[in-house]
Formats: sequence, C-alpha cells, structure tokens
Amino acid sequence: ETGVTQSPTHLIKTRGQQVTLRCSSQSGHNTVSWYQQALGQGPQFIFQYYREEENGRGNFPPRFSGLQFPNYSSELNVNALELDDSALYLCASSPKGQYRDDEQFFGPGTRLTVL
Amino acid sequence: AQTVTQSQPEMSVQEAETVTLSCTYDTSESDYYLFWYKQPPSRQMILVIRQEAYKQQNATENRFSVNFQKAAKSFSLKISDSQLGDAAMYFCAYMAGGTSYGKLTFGQGTILTVHP
Repeated sequence: ETGVTQSPTHLIKTRGQQVTLRCSSQSGHNTVSWYQQALGQGPQFIFQYYREEENGRGNFPPRFSGLQFPNYSSELNVNALELDDSALYLCASSPKGQYRDDEQFFGPGTRLTVL
Repeated sequence: AQTVTQSQPEMSVQEAETVTLSCTYDTSESDYYLFWYKQPPSRQMILVIRQEAYKQQNATENRFSVNFQKAAKSFSLKISDSQLGDAAMYFCAYMAGGTSYGKLTFGQGTILTVHP
C-alpha cells in the first residue's frame, strides 16, 4: 500500500508569482484535502476534492484553486503569491464512502517560501 | 464556527511516565468526530487516536487513551509509559458530520518533550 506523497519538498517563489503543488493519494482513496500550516500553528483547511469536484472550502481567497484527476491525484494552485502564503502545505487523502472514511492520511508536505 | 483550543503550548514528561494533553472544543453539532494527530519533527502528520461523539466509551490505542467529556466539550489525550519516540507536536482536531464532513479543524498544538 502506497502512502500519500507530495512534490516538491521545498519551493521558493517571489511575490506575485504562481505555484503548483502536487499530491498523490494513498492507494484506494478517492478524496483529497489540502491544508495550510503556518510555522508553529495548526493546519487550516483550504479545500477538499471528491470525484474531481470541489467538495467544501475553507476561508481562503479564490487565488487558491485545485484540481483532482481521475487517478485521484491532486494539484493545489496559488496565484499572485503573497508573503503570508509562506507555509507548509499538507495534502491528506481519505476513502470517502468506505469504512472509517473520516480518517485522513497526510503527506509529508511542501514547504513554500515566498520572498 | 467550530473552534478547538489546546491551552498547553508545551509539555514535558520523563520516559516511562504518564502525561495528559488537554483539548477543548466548541460546537453546536451533535454528530462529530474528534482526533489526536502527532506531527514529529520530520513533519508527516500521523493519526494517533479517534473518537466518535456518539460513543460514550473512551477510545484507546495501546499506550494512548482519551478522556472524552461530551457535556464539557473536553477531549484529553493520555500517553502512558512515555517513550522517546513520542516526542512531537500533538494536535487535537474536530470534524463535524453533515455538510462539513471531511473538514478538519485543528487546535494550535502542544509540543511534547520526553526526557530520558
């Protein structure tokens, strides 16, 4: 069974640029959630994708967008980067509709630094 | 809006001793789930234990157990026989049922140090 993977591990961008982060779900999982974790804080929910559609969104502006692909992998896109976007971005997958589908399995994260 | 509060920014424990991490939450929902996640310095978040709100029995997973007090909206984590590998940031998290299902709301975290 393959766990959740994310790429890249680290990323440095400048203010105003755009970034794409990638996530591969755990085998058999059909739902992906994205979280932003600022340094020393708890993660904050960005959005969730199920069957390639957005299925819930947190308090994040529209410049945060996502995609989920037929193989359940996912992308997080952030446009017009701001300094406050610097954070660890976590992807989590879960098996919606299956036993204990409330459990989310997290990837190692992508550390984004905006200069 | 649901909130989760962890009032202990840092805790420490001697190896083999017991430690309890506190968590309170605020919700008007009756159907929800509570979790404790562990985030070691390597960053990958790992589920430690989960509790379904409709279950009165406290969840246990080996050395980890919870004290779920639904009326008080309290959900503490007890780690028995602490090991060096337990050192990490611990997050309490809440998930509502219904339309908010799948969205985790996290507390601020508690850094646990284990002394040999």
